[in-house]
Amino acid sequence: DVKVTQSSRYLVKRTGEKVFLECVQDMDHENMFWYRQDPGLGLRLIYFSYDVKMKEKGDIPEGYSVSREKKERFSLILESASTNQTSMYLCASSTVRLHYEQYFGPGTRLTVT
Amino acid sequence: AQSVAQPEDQVNVAEGNPLTVKCTYSVSGNPYLFWYVQYPNRGLQFLLKYITGDNLVKGSYGFEAEFNKSQTSFHLKKPSALVSDSALYFCAIESPSSGSARQLTFGSGTQLTVLP
Repeated sequence: DVKVTQSSRYLVKRTGEKVFLECVQDMDHENMFWYRQDPGLGLRLIYFSYDVKMKEKGDIPEGYSVSREKKERFSLILESASTNQTSMYLCASSTVRLHYEQYFGPGTRLTVT
Repeated sequence: AQSVAQPEDQVNVAEGNPLTVKCTYSVSGNPYLFWYVQYPNRGLQFLLKYITGDNLVKGSYGFEAEFNKSQTSFHLKKPSALVSDSALYFCAIESPSSGSARQLTFGSGTQLTVLP
């Protein structure tokens, strides 16, 4: 069974803290993605990666960075968390072998106070 | 550039009645089309996809969708709705001819409520 896991389901951080969100997939997918989901705004792509050490900016990369040192792991980093980064964060992976159908993790609900 | 529109933010239907969740798209070339469902506080789950071939695609939980190239639509349907179908539904598109072929573009989502 395919699986995408995220390090935390719920996370509470203070303004200015550095925050790491981790995503791991066990399907040998080459592509990985980070989205944020906010009510009324749908899913917005933050960053994606199509190979180890490769990354591309999505629609809203400001305030975020990513790291992909191993194929199965894709990390999202909030360098200095702010209250407007309170959101649901979703990780996904895909492969050309399955026509880029994306598999999603359960999400991390991040609250920045 | 490709885009997806879900014209209805909210759809209400009585249990046992047929349901339709609408999706239209704009893309150059032949698209790959997807439907996902999201239950509260969960990630998105794949329902079905259209890649090529038969325009009627059958997916999980009794859902189906029809690809209509002339109307650029990919509406999600189910003959008889269940209360447990109540969730947020997303349509998505990926164009093999686009420069960023690895991305999906998602619609804004439609909240489906099935009333008992």
